[in-house]
Amino acid sequence: QKEVEQDPGPLSVPEGAIVSLNCTYSNSAFQYFMWYRQYSRKGPELLMYTYSSGNKEDGRFTAQVDKSSKYISLFIRDSQPSDSATYLCARGGDKIIFGKGTRLHILP
Amino acid sequence: EAGVAQSPRYKIIEKRQSVAFWCNPISGHATLYWYQQILGQGPKLLIQFQNNGVVDDSQLPKDRFSAERLKGVDSTLKIQPAKLEDSAVYLCASKQGNTEAFFGQGTRLTVV
Repeated sequence: QKEVEQDPGPLSVPEGAIVSLNCTYSNSAFQYFMWYRQYSRKGPELLMYTYSSGNKEDGRFTAQVDKSSKYISLFIRDSQPSDSATYLCARGGDKIIFGKGTRLHILP
Repeated sequence: EAGVAQSPRYKIIEKRQSVAFWCNPISGHATLYWYQQILGQGPKLLIQFQNNGVVDDSQLPKDRFSAERLKGVDSTLKIQPAKLEDSAVYLCASKQGNTEAFFGQGTRLTVV
């Protein structure tokens, strides 16, 4: 079983919609999770990081961790065409292990 | 603050040739990672350094890949000899302490 599992998509939604991106993880000992955004031909850039359970909000982005179900989510409100990218979830700690990434397309 | 620098940005080589990539991490960052990202997949960790010591190289194909981080700053990743399946983007990242890692733009390798 992979440490972090993520549906690769692609996911296409209309502009202005709420986007929900999800990952699952295998080890309940993981406590530190991150979401990176990667535009085509660029390196990943950090969007959000969270410790333990609960929500963390930053502008239009909300990261959520549910430790009971080992589920990580990223919500994007009022999605924009500039949000079109690949979104990578990762677990942190001693090393950073990524999921496959979900390709997101926001349709104007 | 300057980011993680990588060079070259692009490289095309023939199979069985050798190639080297260079990374200059953010100043003061003790931890340095090399990742391999094949098209359509997430980054896969190849090797992790803490200062100039190797912390984890369990996923590094040691028969053809090697990496070093002299003086605990810059790092080089080498492939010799290259195979077609080594075509990927090679990403370098660095961090300090238990914080997020910052990534470079990557080196896109094409093996023909």
